[in-house]
Amino acid sequence: DIQMTQSPASLSASVGDRVTITCQATHDISYFLNWYQQKPGKVPKLLIYDASNLETGVPSRFSGSGSGTDFTFTISSLQPEDIATYYCQQYDDIPPTFGQGTKLEIK
Amino acid sequence: QVQLQESGPGLVKPSETLSLTCTVSGGSTSGYYWSWIRQSAGKGLEWIGRIYSSGNTNYNPSLYNRVTMSVDTSKNQFSLRLSSVTAADTAMYYCARDVAGILGYWGQGTLVTVSS
Repeated sequence: DIQMTQSPASLSASVGDRVTITCQATHDISYFLNWYQQKPGKVPKLLIYDASNLETGVPSRFSGSGSGTDFTFTISSLQPEDIATYYCQQYDDIPPTFGQGTKLEIK
Repeated sequence: QVQLQESGPGLVKPSETLSLTCTVSGGSTSGYYWSWIRQSAGKGLEWIGRIYSSGNTNYNPSLYNRVTMSVDTSKNQFSLRLSSVTAADTAMYYCARDVAGILGYWGQGTLVTVSS
């Protein structure tokens, strides 16, 4: 299986801060990477697909970049409603695999 | 708007078979892959497998010999069976629409506890 490693595991930031999460794959996955947001007690929600494409209806403060083995997820200006755990997921190979998640909190 | 809803027993005894159904509304099961994913505190998000509307399946090798999926396009439903369950199978189980590996629509999830 392709292993996905997210960093950091948890993050505390202030409203308005720029937040960056990284995801590293053990194999080259080209651009076959998604990012999901899971708010407490809620269902994971697709934010970014194909590494950098914003899902319809997702605010433009969210963005993604990268290819190959190294990927970045960015929130340009953190909002209180962005408190959640964020997951990356590769789909280059079966089985699709997820990162362990990054828990984002407000300072 | 596509909506998915999981249903099935919330409690399963060890060694028995977990059976869940996902009902799709607002769209058709035809022409898509449909995935099952589970989430437990210990293992995070784990992809269980997927089924195409034609019945073709892909399973996670870690569960391969215990998983069976089926689809009933006439009812707009697909199902998961996981045999010989143990406490390690206790998790929130989600169904989702899978478009080339992109999980864009998810059900609300159903908690399954394995306990005697």
